Amino acid sequence: DAKTTQPPSMDCAEGRAANLPCNHSTISGNEYVYWYRQIHSQGPQYIIHGLKNNETNEMASLIITEDRKSSTLILPHATLRDTAVYYCIVRVPNYGGSQGNLIFGKGTKLSVKP
Amino acid sequence: NAGVMQNPRHLVRRRGQEARLRCSPMKGHSHVYWYRQLPEEGLKFMVYLQKENIIDESGMPKERFSAEFPKEGPSILRIQQVVRGDSAAYFCASSPQVGAPSSYEQYFGPGTRLTVT
Repeated sequence: DAKTTQPPSMDCAEGRAANLPCNHSTISGNEYVYWYRQIHSQGPQYIIHGLKNNETNEMASLIITEDRKSSTLILPHATLRDTAVYYCIVRVPNYGGSQGNLIFGKGTKLSVKP
Repeated sequence: NAGVMQNPRHLVRRRGQEARLRCSPMKGHSHVYWYRQLPEEGLKFMVYLQKENIIDESGMPKERFSAEFPKEGPSILRIQQVVRGDSAAYFCASSPQVGAPSSYEQYFGPGTRLTVT
């Protein structure tokens, strides 16, 4: 089972920031937080990941609380094309053993509205 | 650099036939993962392979399903004697060699949609 809890759905106005929360209260010290999204009928797309520091890339920012029990994915200026299901996943690094797979929960269905 | 490629994109099989799904990882990637997504459900892990080795097949049904990733050529997910319940989207992902956090991203292909009639 997924180790994360996310709201099932959220709405966001086009051009505004979308803030997607994720709870991972049982995260262990060596687990990273990953975010993927799946636009309708397409393969999942990697967005960002982090361990304990906040991270930013061209797609999004990831804010992780100091106790690492929760995080927030921020899409700074949401567009209609950002409408998708967003998955928050926690996992240990893959050192070639049996920890390779991603465990997808139900995610948050983000609807960006004009 | 081409992304992960899967073919066919759509596959229709009658009950009892065999389905072969192909996945070509991104250039330089030696790790392949297969996931299945049933209608209106999330993705479920099936199998993780490196070249010529199955690393983890804990998500693979015990019967009728098999996977390989030969030294040359694409990874193949094979489903024998398909049943209606096998109808789903099958996604393949690849990643570079492991060992550094930046290599942990999995890059997904567009999927193969299998319909069993």
